[in-house]
Amino acid sequence: GQQLNQSPQSMFIQEGEDVSMNCTSSSIFNTWLWYKQDPGEGPVLLIALYKAGELTSNGRLTAQFGITRKDSFLNISASIPSDVGIYFCAARETSGSRLTFGEGTQLTVNP
Amino acid sequence: EAQVTQNPRYLITVTGKKLTVTCSQNMNHEYMSWYRQDPGLGLRQIYYSMNVEVTDKGDVPEGYKVSRKEKRNFPLILESPSPNQTSLYFCASSLTGDGYTFGSGTRLTVV
Repeated sequence: GQQLNQSPQSMFIQEGEDVSMNCTSSSIFNTWLWYKQDPGEGPVLLIALYKAGELTSNGRLTAQFGITRKDSFLNISASIPSDVGIYFCAARETSGSRLTFGEGTQLTVNP
Repeated sequence: EAQVTQNPRYLITVTGKKLTVTCSQNMNHEYMSWYRQDPGLGLRQIYYSMNVEVTDKGDVPEGYKVSRKEKRNFPLILESPSPNQTSLYFCASSLTGDGYTFGSGTRLTVV
């Protein structure tokens, strides 16, 4: 099946630092999504991207849909303790096809 | 409140004893999906449904069954659970197949 390679697997940063994580694949996708999972909860959608090259922001979060349609990036600026959690990328080929998730990036923010 | 409700939250069972995890959504969503989450493997799709009576296999369907007799419900059935099905399970629903809303999860242990 399709695979999304997400990196890094984990990050330990100081409060106030910026964070970058990315997701790559050998397959082309038409939709890229970024989710965050808090401990003990289900993932929550952060940002959705629908066009190659698209750059979208949600507060301190910015995500980009790669030009090749095979990758996506998520940046978090000025991190705060509540940013702690697991961040997942997800992608879908076409409308109606199934959604594939990356392995996740575990983010720890030290106050 | 718009939500996906899955039950139970926690379940310990024995090998071979059939079980059902229920999932219900109140958002009139077309798409529903089941995922399992295991450390280092991210979220892997078990089955998904694009509408009533329309279901398809995901990445890891072996050992699981689903049904979609009504739009709001999408139960996950383990006919003969085995220890390798010990995992954290999430049900999710979506209007378009992109921005899934996730339930709070069911932690299943098979001994």
